[in-house]
Amino acid sequence: SAVISQKPSRDICQRGTSLTIQCQVDSQVTMMFWYRQQPGQSLTLIATANQGSEATYESGFVIDKFPISRPNLTFSTLTVSNMSPEDSSIYLCSVADGYGTDTQYFGPGTRLTVL
Amino acid sequence: GQQVMQIPQYQHVQEGEDFTTYCNSSTTLSNIQWYKQRPGGHPVFLIQLVKSGEVKKQKRLTFQFGEAKKNSSLHITATQTTDVGTYFCAGESNTGKLIFGQGTTLQVKP
Repeated sequence: SAVISQKPSRDICQRGTSLTIQCQVDSQVTMMFWYRQQPGQSLTLIATANQGSEATYESGFVIDKFPISRPNLTFSTLTVSNMSPEDSSIYLCSVADGYGTDTQYFGPGTRLTVL
Repeated sequence: GQQVMQIPQYQHVQEGEDFTTYCNSSTTLSNIQWYKQRPGGHPVFLIQLVKSGEVKKQKRLTFQFGEAKKNSSLHITATQTTDVGTYFCAGESNTGKLIFGQGTTLQVKP
């Protein structure tokens, strides 16, 4: 399985600021996804990061708030923009070799606290 | 909207007791996956079930996929403290992505 790293592992930010989270994979993968997991909750898919084109966002998530880049098959970034305390959460990237319902491998996550 | 429901939300057992978590979908699933998330960790893939009525075993873990491919279960025999964590099922949404259930958090008392 792929080895996935995320930076930063955690951060505390002030409201109104933005944070960019990086996801690096040790091999080329077809699919990369970004999830949000609020404390004690399940995983909610934010978007699919598409290589060389705009990300595909799920209902309730918009590009202005969560811009995503994927310049190649091993790297993606998620920016949480104009943060509020409601954005406090764990943000996870995951990868899959095939389509969206193939086995997914998750990064260690970024724990974000917004004050 | 399409949902994947999981019960129970929490389960506390004595070490050595069995544990089962159930997953139900509002629609027929092409496959179902199970993940485990240890406290403070990230979800780790356990298994994927594809066929109607499929049963798979991993040591003390038994996974079942219902005949109608709308429900699934994970059964752990003789729990150990290393089984502690949250178990998520995940099924395919109508947009071709995974929908995760709410998870069942297992606590094991030694």
